[in-house]
Amino acid sequence: DTAVSQTPKYLVTQMGNDKSIKCEQNLGHDTMYWYKQDSKKFLKIMFSYNNKELIINETVPNRFSPKSPDKAHLNLHINSLELGDSAVYFCASSQGGQGHQETQYFGPGTRLLVL
Amino acid sequence: AQKITQTQPGMFVQEKEAVTLDCTYDTSDQSYGLFWYKQPSSGEMIFLIYQGSYDEQNATEGRYSLNFQKARKSANLVISASQLGDSAMYFCAMSPYSSASKIIFGSGTRLSIRP
Repeated sequence: DTAVSQTPKYLVTQMGNDKSIKCEQNLGHDTMYWYKQDSKKFLKIMFSYNNKELIINETVPNRFSPKSPDKAHLNLHINSLELGDSAVYFCASSQGGQGHQETQYFGPGTRLLVL
Repeated sequence: AQKITQTQPGMFVQEKEAVTLDCTYDTSDQSYGLFWYKQPSSGEMIFLIYQGSYDEQNATEGRYSLNFQKARKSANLVISASQLGDSAMYFCAMSPYSSASKIIFGSGTRLSIRP
């Protein structure tokens, strides 16, 4: 009964490839997020969607494109992968509508390694 | 500027002792949320505790308590009776009202519990 799930857990790929990471939450939440955690463990938000609509879009290269087919899913597609994209990508979700009071619940992370 | 500072990159504590992890924050917002997350070596991000800026009582969740000192802009995490399973990275985070659902994370503190 995983609340926030991500697939795949590990992803090893060559530079220049295109890859997708999928995220699903079964908490009934309205808001979902993507974070990137670099090799120094620093976590930074990339995107946020509320009810399938983009609400946060940090300074992220255009090669990254989130897609939310419904409010329970938020996928991340990455084009033309670069070495610097190697990181752990976390999906998270929160109830929505409570702004700064909302607790975000994280998925297990996807470890991406670009060779 | 909105910022979270964790000045202790690493800490060692004897099992069963209490430990305090420091966190200071900077925001011009009057309303904000403060969070602590735990990241064990397995990599997942686990929500521990939440404190709202207008909450008069310090938050507590089991062995975790948040020592909230608003005037000093500090939100230290206190873990009582530490256990070996508490060994992990701990992240302090803040969600200012003006940033809607965006959470800003600190750089983390690696806590190691000695048997």
